[in-house]
Amino acid sequence: KNEVEQSPQNLTAQEGEFITINCSYSVGISALHWLQQHPGGGIVSLFMLSSGKKKHGRLIATINIQEKHSSLHITASHPRDSAVYICAGFLWDTDKLIFGTGTRLQVFP
Amino acid sequence: DTEVTQTPKHLVMGMTNKKSLKCEQHMGHRAMYWYKQKAKKPPELMFVYSYEKLSINESVPSRFSPECPNSSLLNLHLHALQPEDSALYLCASSSHRNQPQHFGDGTRLSIL
Repeated sequence: KNEVEQSPQNLTAQEGEFITINCSYSVGISALHWLQQHPGGGIVSLFMLSSGKKKHGRLIATINIQEKHSSLHITASHPRDSAVYICAGFLWDTDKLIFGTGTRLQVFP
Repeated sequence: DTEVTQTPKHLVMGMTNKKSLKCEQHMGHRAMYWYKQKAKKPPELMFVYSYEKLSINESVPSRFSPECPNSSLLNLHLHALQPEDSALYLCASSSHRNQPQHFGDGTRLSIL
């Protein structure tokens, strides 16, 4: 079964804390996307990974292909980072994205 | 600012109305997608167009009718919708089917 599982479902943090969101996925997924969705709807694509590590500003995404696991890290978190973070696996045989259930992050000042 | 523009941002319609959602991108992307998202749930794929041809229809009821008139535009025609169709409808595009998707801000649809 093609699956993407995320944890935790909800996360609260104080401003400045280091945050990690985890994602595990099943066989058949060739790339992992990390997406951010703010209240009100719009989705922003943060990273697409098929190996290694990517960094953009305070965001770092890593993927371990052998363990089928990816993490999204936020350094020096800020209240504006409050959003839902979604990992989505790209299925190589159907070209579809399989979405995780999302992690709702709240960063308090 | 999003590079995928969706209009309208909000739509309220009765069950007998006919309306359309519009999505536009000028990034030269050749794949475009419609997703439906209910509150606190992840997006669900509805349709995929690749090079202006419908390549995926996820068993969506016929009251939803997609159209891709050219490589920049994607429409979703709505007719005789049900209250359970109330949701956020997201459009996305990518340069090709296996590339990162760029999402619009969505149209929040309410069916009375």
